[in-house]
Amino acid sequence: GAVVSQHPSWVICKSGTSVKIECRSLDFQATTMFWYRQFPKQSLMLMATSNEGSKATYEQGVEKDKFLINHASLTLSTLTVTSAHPEDSSFYICSARDYRVQHFGDGTRLSIL
Amino acid sequence: EDQVTQSPEALRLQEGESSSLNCSYTVSGLRGLFWYRQDPGKGPEFLFTLYSAGEEKEKERLKATLTKKESFLHITAPKPEDSATYLCAAGLADSWGKLQFGAGTQVVVTP
Repeated sequence: GAVVSQHPSWVICKSGTSVKIECRSLDFQATTMFWYRQFPKQSLMLMATSNEGSKATYEQGVEKDKFLINHASLTLSTLTVTSAHPEDSSFYICSARDYRVQHFGDGTRLSIL
Repeated sequence: EDQVTQSPEALRLQEGESSSLNCSYTVSGLRGLFWYRQDPGKGPEFLFTLYSAGEEKEKERLKATLTKKESFLHITAPKPEDSATYLCAAGLADSWGKLQFGAGTQVVVTP
């Protein structure tokens, strides 16, 4: 079945650091990938839609200069959290669409000290 | 405004005790109703997609049904390994793949 790999699985870093998270579709090509954020005991909130070869589409309230998205190939999207601060600490999950179904990575736990 | 609401928030079951989870939705133009299972610290795992009212799908002890306003996930004779958070999500009409998630139902099955 369709597999999405996300790396790293967890990151701990100091405030002010930029952090890059990778999302790969392993056995299918994805022109569209999605980035979500999930707070404890809450559901997934869509942050942005990543489109291969073009600019990402951000949801209302998401700072595009804060969360940089690059989708350079049909199997890889990256999310860079720039100058991260403690309030950016969260669980970030990516997904990729294979036909009509979104398949999710196992998430990245980001902790900013 | 598109909205997806799940109930109950949490459910504690004895092994073998069947139950149902509810997902009610209000979306303008549904492109599929999706069910996912999420284990702690993991991403959601795809279970089912339902596209039209009256549709049903089954997988092992799980059965999903859909009406025009809600979906149910029935768990028959659950086992401890069915413990997880079950998420439903509505596919939105303006974009294939864009999903509106409910808050989830946390299910705990005790032996």
